[in-house]
Amino acid sequence: NAGVTQTPKFQVLKTGQSMTLQCAQDMNHNSMYWYRQDPGMGLRLIYYSASEGTTDKGEVPNGYNVSRLNKREFSLRLESAAPSQTSVYFCASSRTGSDQPQHFGDGTRLSIL
Amino acid sequence: GESVGLHLPTLSVQEGDNSIINCAYSNSASDYFIWYKQESGKGPQFIIDIRSNMDKRQGQRVTVLLNKTVKHLSLQIAATQPGDSAVYFCAEKTSGYGGATNKLIFGTGTLLAVQP
Repeated sequence: NAGVTQTPKFQVLKTGQSMTLQCAQDMNHNSMYWYRQDPGMGLRLIYYSASEGTTDKGEVPNGYNVSRLNKREFSLRLESAAPSQTSVYFCASSRTGSDQPQHFGDGTRLSIL
Repeated sequence: GESVGLHLPTLSVQEGDNSIINCAYSNSASDYFIWYKQESGKGPQFIIDIRSNMDKRQGQRVTVLLNKTVKHLSLQIAATQPGDSAVYFCAEKTSGYGGATNKLIFGTGTLLAVQP
């Protein structure tokens, strides 16, 4: 089972460039999430989508946009990359309803020079 | 236990021993907790979860204990193996976040190093 698939796995950008990170899940989950993981900090929520057609800001949304393309796919876009956005980005999905674990992809490692 | 510093706390154990990883959670209103395992270069992998109406839950070789009085969560791994070497972190869901999204707060993790 593929679970949550993220592309690309690695990317290097120059400051000011734009980039879209792709995420797809095959578990028929309604909810999807984007996180960033930085050294010494827990995962921080950037944006989430409770269901197809809805998106909401998380803890650190500035500098990012998202699109819930369909039930399977949830993309994260950096319009004008900044060095502070160098991080590892994780996509996750979960079933609808309370008390459901989130399942993660293997991440995109993004460096912005 | 968990730390917000730049260096993860490390638990070093011998292969075959039992491991106990601790987590102090932040919000007394949190009602659902998850333990994740993260290997180098991989995403977090779900291990086990527990709801606040329970104080213990067992899985295969793992047990999670919840002490709501002191806001403490622990993960016990029986007969630790080299393949258990990874960063382990807990996540909590506060009922106040609401909705069907299960927004979680994540700890920074503990590195488990298993010595052969």
